[in-house]
Amino acid sequence: IVLTQSPLSLSVIPGEPATISCRSTQSLLHSKGYNYMDWYLQRPGQSPQLVIFLGSLRASGVPDRFSGYGSGTEFTLKISNVEAEDIGTYYCTQGLQTPRTFGQGTKLEIK
Amino acid sequence: DVKLVESGGGLVKPGESLTLSCSVSGLKFDVAWMNWIRQAPGRGLEWVGRIKSRIDGGERDYNAPVKGRFFISRDDAKKMVYLQMRGLKIEDTAVYYCTTGEYYTDASGRPKTYDYWGRGTLVTVSS
Repeated sequence: IVLTQSPLSLSVIPGEPATISCRSTQSLLHSKGYNYMDWYLQRPGQSPQLVIFLGSLRASGVPDRFSGYGSGTEFTLKISNVEAEDIGTYYCTQGLQTPRTFGQGTKLEIK
Repeated sequence: DVKLVESGGGLVKPGESLTLSCSVSGLKFDVAWMNWIRQAPGRGLEWVGRIKSRIDGGERDYNAPVKGRFFISRDDAKKMVYLQMRGLKIEDTAVYYCTTGEYYTDASGRPKTYDYWGRGTLVTVSS
């Protein structure tokens, strides 16, 4: 399964929204009714941390300005009001099939 | 607190072997499926492989670029997972992360997850 993210880079003014898309070559909808799509943020110099799981659920401790939506092959990560701590590279990933695959990453910068 | 700590990275020549270790604490290791994920310098994330828990069959899966060269093993008593790498290539140069995670449902039937990564260990393959 190939995941294609867009855009690959994003420069946002603090307080403005940011939207990242991820398209999959195959549906990520599992028979259990969930989309096996996760989003990670990798801050500079750090390990990736989970932001959204199963397409739309916020991981523990993630602020509610982060939201994920979509189903099947089209997914979106939205940050409603970008803050300085949100900078880094965002990756979508699918856990439906082995091998697990990742999008190319979207680098978010602050203007 | 859950901690995953990788070790064993270093500089090796093409064709040589290296074994990475990952020490796990703070979670029930024997039921955890363990992954290795790598990141080449300045590049994105690439899944290397996974070993299931013994209770789930202990199967191993590998990504195509490393299949036949890399081998994942685990020692549940020591709470360790290993990545044996042989026939290393320049393109294997990367930070290697040990990770574990799972979707599950809570007592109310709500979907939950846990997801943990180590800080990574750098493997450099260069002549």
